[in-house]
Amino acid sequence: AQTVTQSQPEMSVQEAETVTLSCTYDTSENNYYLFWYKQPPSRQMILVIRQEAYKQQNATENRFSVNFQKAAKSFSLKISDSQLGDTAMYFCAMTQGGSEKLVFGKGMKLTVNP
Amino acid sequence: SQTIHQWPATLVQPVGSPLSLECTVEGTSNPNLYWYRQAAGRGLQLLFYSVGIGQISSEVPQNLSASRPQDRQFILSSKKLLLSDSGFYLCAWSVKRVSSTEAFFGQGTRLTVV
Repeated sequence: AQTVTQSQPEMSVQEAETVTLSCTYDTSENNYYLFWYKQPPSRQMILVIRQEAYKQQNATENRFSVNFQKAAKSFSLKISDSQLGDTAMYFCAMTQGGSEKLVFGKGMKLTVNP
Repeated sequence: SQTIHQWPATLVQPVGSPLSLECTVEGTSNPNLYWYRQAAGRGLQLLFYSVGIGQISSEVPQNLSASRPQDRQFILSSKKLLLSDSGFYLCAWSVKRVSSTEAFFGQGTRLTVV
């Protein structure tokens, strides 16, 4: 069974600083995909970044990057130059190749302070 | 372009009353469909997912059921609501057999059982 764990329920960071959100997962498959989603106060879920497990290179999207450690089953999200608009719930998620099931972690509340 | 509609946006129902939440997707065919519940402090919990008409996978034994009467329609139901059914319900869809694709979410339904 696939599981996703986010052990930090809440974090805060000062504007313009860098913050790292942690996520670990468990799967018996070798082919899978990992995602970070953002849910701002509007409650609309937005994809932040995705990572294919077969790719060794860490994904980056502007100020967002991941540190994918396949052996450790770790998938952390780094937000650089934090902005007030980054304040949101962040969810780590995964899906396995050949499966249509998409599983999320419990989420982490990030607050960016001015 | 694809869109997902979920309604109603908010709902207040008495204990013991029935429930029907509807979700429809436009602009795509044969999608995977998902129902998630987001309860305070419990993150995003997968309730049901469907890979086709009449094909429903239940993830959590509970007071709820789901149906997919048409390709792009996904309904969440209950015959008798419990107080514990309160929460924020999200419908989502993804492209079938493309595990790297993101899931697209509706705006959500805030259900309060009183």
